[in-house]
Amino acid sequence: SAVISQKPSRDICQRGTSLTIQCQVDSQVTMMFWYRQQPGQSLTLIATANQGSEATYESGFVIDKFPISRPNLTFSTLTVSNMSPEDSSIYLCSVSKDRADTQYFGPGTRLTVL
Amino acid sequence: AQSVSQHNHHVILSEAASLELGCNYSYGGTVNLFWYVQYPGQHLQLLLKYFSGDPLVKGIKGFEAEFIKSKFSFNLRKPSVQWSDTAEYFCAVNGVLTGGGNKLTFGTGTQLKVEL
Repeated sequence: SAVISQKPSRDICQRGTSLTIQCQVDSQVTMMFWYRQQPGQSLTLIATANQGSEATYESGFVIDKFPISRPNLTFSTLTVSNMSPEDSSIYLCSVSKDRADTQYFGPGTRLTVL
Repeated sequence: AQSVSQHNHHVILSEAASLELGCNYSYGGTVNLFWYVQYPGQHLQLLLKYFSGDPLVKGIKGFEAEFIKSKFSFNLRKPSVQWSDTAEYFCAVNGVLTGGGNKLTFGTGTQLKVEL
């Protein structure tokens, strides 16, 4: 399986600011995804990061709040914009060969918004 | 829409006890099924998966799961747990969506604590 790293591993941010999270994979992958895991809850898919085109967002998530970039097959970023305390979560990226295949997860970014 | 239910949110067992964690899903089509584990302080890891074939699948660390299509279930089992199995366990379902594409949906997780 691929080795996935995320930066930062954790951050504490002020309300109204933005944070960009990076996801780096050690090999080229077709699919990259971004998830959110709110305190005490399960993982929820935010969007699929598409290489060379706009991300595909799930219901309840919008590009203005969570802009995503994927400039190549090994790297993606997720920005959490205009943050509020409700955005405090763990944000994870995952990768897979295709949508039906096994997804492997990064270590996550623990975000606290004050 | 597909959904996943994990019946036990918290389970406490003594070492050497047997484990069974329930997972049921709601979806009418073909699915791929997964169990992921998250050990304390570590990231989410794949424990085992079912795509097709033998409905009894074996994973790492002595875990196994059985897919029972008629019951829409994919329960996780281990005959004898160890203290090091203390972790959170997530069941996940990947089904083909109407209009194409797939989506991985997670259950709410089961926190397992194994006591010495």
